[in-house]
Amino acid sequence: QITLKESGPTLVKPTQTLTLTCTFSGFSLSTSAVGVGWIRQPPGKALEWVALIYWNDNIRYTSFLKSRLTITKDTSKNQVVLTMTDMDPVDTATYYCARHKQYTHFDVWGRGTLVTVSS
Amino acid sequence: QSALTQPASVSGSPGQSITISCTGTSSDIGSNNLVSWYQQHPGKAPKFMIYEVNKRPSGVSNRFSGSKSGNTASLTISGLQGEDEADYYCCSYAGGSYVDSSPLFGGGTKLTVL
Repeated sequence: QITLKESGPTLVKPTQTLTLTCTFSGFSLSTSAVGVGWIRQPPGKALEWVALIYWNDNIRYTSFLKSRLTITKDTSKNQVVLTMTDMDPVDTATYYCARHKQYTHFDVWGRGTLVTVSS
Repeated sequence: QSALTQPASVSGSPGQSITISCTGTSSDIGSNNLVSWYQQHPGKAPKFMIYEVNKRPSGVSNRFSGSKSGNTASLTISGLQGEDEADYYCCSYAGGSYVDSSPLFGGGTKLTVL
């Protein structure tokens, strides 16, 4: 069974750095054509892709957040970590991690974690 | 890169069929067959329903089907059931080669089963 679980702070202050961890099981991030991505969803709004890291360390970031993002993986721990600097209230959202397969789709999603940015 | 365009809402009665469109450009939907669709019930994580335009993963009802024409992809749900009431999101990829492209989601469509 494949599972992913997001963890991190539920509340961050403006200008702080957010660090989220995705811990997964049931697959390996050293398998060809497998990736793990982050997708966020502001309350009441649409899904928005944020970042993606592949088995071969190929990394993709959404262009409008690229300067603030870093995504890394620890294959031995089955974890992917996303950091986002200079948080703003508009970054308030549920953040999901999901397995990305064959470069074509997100096939298994975590439950998501709500991050609120407020002073 | 702007979000893909979906109608804000669609509705249908039980047993009917509905189609949700997803319009992009020649740089995303029109450039490959990497369209996927996700269903999201309130308060839940998205669920993967269709990939590579018209492929259905195991466990997804055959009432769900996908297609594409030019820069527009579509999700059709036949034999509507109450449990189909949810938000639906399309996703395509843009930006270069198959392995270097980046995902792009649609704005979402709320399906109401009357």
